[in-house]
Amino acid sequence: DTEVTQTPKHLVMGMTNKKSLKCEQHMGHRAMYWYKQKAKKPPELMFVYSYEKLSINESVPSRFSPECPNSSLLNLHLHALQPEDSALYLCASSHGAGQETQYFGPGTRLLVL
Amino acid sequence: GENVEQHPSTLSVQEGDSAVIKCTYSDSASNYFPWYKQELGKRPQLIIDIRSNVGEKKDQRIAVTLNKTAKHFSLHITETQPEDSAVYFCAASSSASKIIFGSGTRLSIRP
Repeated sequence: DTEVTQTPKHLVMGMTNKKSLKCEQHMGHRAMYWYKQKAKKPPELMFVYSYEKLSINESVPSRFSPECPNSSLLNLHLHALQPEDSALYLCASSHGAGQETQYFGPGTRLLVL
Repeated sequence: GENVEQHPSTLSVQEGDSAVIKCTYSDSASNYFPWYKQELGKRPQLIIDIRSNVGEKKDQRIAVTLNKTAKHFSLHITETQPEDSAVYFCAASSSASKIIFGSGTRLSIRP
């Protein structure tokens, strides 16, 4: 398996809802990432997990909570989001935690009402 | 903080002609430079990358050049085809796991 998969593909949620985004890879990669991408903008790094430990948190609001249950899975828990959080959320993985190629999942398109 | 500047923001070329996209980075410690292509509604996909110990790399119609002294690198696409139309992002990495992306170039290929 040479792909990063993400579920769901689309998500609509209200500002009081709690939801989770899921990401999975079976390439044996030990680093996984969450990015946020607004329309016509580059991906913005949110979190980095290296060997299942959070290694980078780019000052993301606490309404976003990442979780790495094991080396293949990465979740992003969402609670009390704002309309400006509507975006494409991309997961990526790389073989190690150094300067290595990152492989992106297809993303979850999130709309917060 | 570190940043990567990318130009032009939009580029339109005739099918069969060449396209060049340029990026400049600020962090002199950067030593890994990937290029991603993102089609509308799709994920970013790596098309080519280069490390700082190499000045040029080529893969069929795509090439990347790196000038570490000037801190800039460029993407060259020759014999452009309609399927090359997409947004292209350059990026630079200087530390473990962290990549800084350029602002993107929307490339359109005119038939």
